[in-house]
Amino acid sequence: KQEVTQIPAALSVPEGENLVLNCSFTDSAIYNLQWFRQDPGKGLTSLLLIQSSQREQTSGRLNASLDKSSGRSTLYIAASQPGDSATYLCAVPRFSGGYNKLIFGAGTRLAVHP
Amino acid sequence: GAVVSQHPSWVICKSGTSVKIECRSLDFQATTMFWYRQFPKQSLMLMATSNEGSKATYEQGVEKDKFLINHASLTLSTLTVTSAHPEDSSFYICSANRGNTEAFFGQGTRLTVV
Repeated sequence: KQEVTQIPAALSVPEGENLVLNCSFTDSAIYNLQWFRQDPGKGLTSLLLIQSSQREQTSGRLNASLDKSSGRSTLYIAASQPGDSATYLCAVPRFSGGYNKLIFGAGTRLAVHP
Repeated sequence: GAVVSQHPSWVICKSGTSVKIECRSLDFQATTMFWYRQFPKQSLMLMATSNEGSKATYEQGVEKDKFLINHASLTLSTLTVTSAHPEDSSFYICSANRGNTEAFFGQGTRLTVV
């Protein structure tokens, strides 16, 4: 059974800091991993998708890495800004019943204060 | 990126009435869509998988008669909460996979049953 864990559960930092959010999964037989952002009361915004053959993906100040063998992914946020405050979720697909269903971590709630 | 639109974004209804939530993929066809439920400060819980032209498949513990799902076309899935009760109050989110890989989410619907 695939389980996804995110550490830390919450993080509060001053503006400008570089951050690392961690995601671990128990079954390394995944073919991709996706990072999302969720603002309070809103849906999920896809940030980065890493295929199993890739080691990392970058988008602006965000960089996500993937180490399948160790069951880990990290989301690196450079030069954090108050607008980055949100909950960050990682998810991996699980093939079940003929469909790829996403298994989510509990998320990291990030607060960046001025 | 791909867009999934969910409507309404919030709804308040009386106990015993039914509420319909729509999920549309605006720029791609989705034979499969997913419905999630999210409680405050918790991660997403998959409720059911919506399949175009066939019956939805429900996760264990989700009442099929309570949460009716109809996937009428390749771009529209609906979730109807029947005979709603206060305990059904929650945040409901849909998603669709483009090309069976990257998942895109709707904006979510906040349901309050009074």
